[in-house]
Amino acid sequence: GQNIDQPTEMTATEGAIVQINCTYQTSGFNGLFWYQQHAGEAPTFLSYNVLDGLEEKGRFSSFLSRSKGYSYLLLKELQMKDSASYLCALDDKIIFGKGTRLHILP
Amino acid sequence: SAVISQKPSRDICQRGTSLTIQCQVDSQVTMMFWYRQQPGQSLTLIATANQGSEATYESGFVIDKFPISRPNLTFSTLTVSNMSPEDSSIYLCSVDEQGDYGYTFGSGTRLTVV
Repeated sequence: GQNIDQPTEMTATEGAIVQINCTYQTSGFNGLFWYQQHAGEAPTFLSYNVLDGLEEKGRFSSFLSRSKGYSYLLLKELQMKDSASYLCALDDKIIFGKGTRLHILP
Repeated sequence: SAVISQKPSRDICQRGTSLTIQCQVDSQVTMMFWYRQQPGQSLTLIATANQGSEATYESGFVIDKFPISRPNLTFSTLTVSNMSPEDSSIYLCSVDEQGDYGYTFGSGTRLTVV
C-alpha cells in the first residue's frame, strides 16, 4: 500500500519563506505532485518531480529524494493569496496526502 | 491545459435517491478519474473511468454504489446511487494531461444528502 504524511497546518508571515514537507512510503511511483487548493475550489497543479532534486518555478520550488521517501514544497515571498491547502500526491493513479493548510499572517 | 465542465455544481438530494454527475472535457483524454473529497479531508480516488470498458474501482468503492460511464474520450458520468447522508461530499473529475499540466480537475459537485 501507500502512505503519505504531511503536516496538518502551518502558519507563516507575509513576505517570508515556508517549507512544507511530505514523506511517503510506496512500492513504486512515476513522480510526485504538489497541488494547491483554495477553500471551496478544485485543486490546481503546482509542480511535478520525477527525478531527485529541486525544480524551481517562480516563487515555488519542489524537491524530491526518492531514496529518502521525502519531498518538500518551498514557497518564497509569501503573499496573502498563498493561504490555501497544499497537497502532496504520488503519481500512481494520483494518490493524495491529507494536505497542509497554510495560514499567512500579515 | 484542458478545460473541464462538471455539472451540477451543487445539489441537495433526498436519501435513497441517485444523482448523476457529468464531466465534459474540451479535448480527448485517455485517463479520466473520479474523486471524493469529504468535508475538511483530502481527495480520495473512487475509480478510473476507462473508455470502452468497465471502470476500475479503488478499495472501498463498488460499481453498484458508484456506476461510471465513459462513452467516449471527452465525457464521463459518475452516479451516486441510493444516497445516504454519509455520501455528502464534493465529487471531482480529473484528467491526466501528461506533460507540464499534471492532472486537471473539474470544479467539483458539492452534494448534500438530507
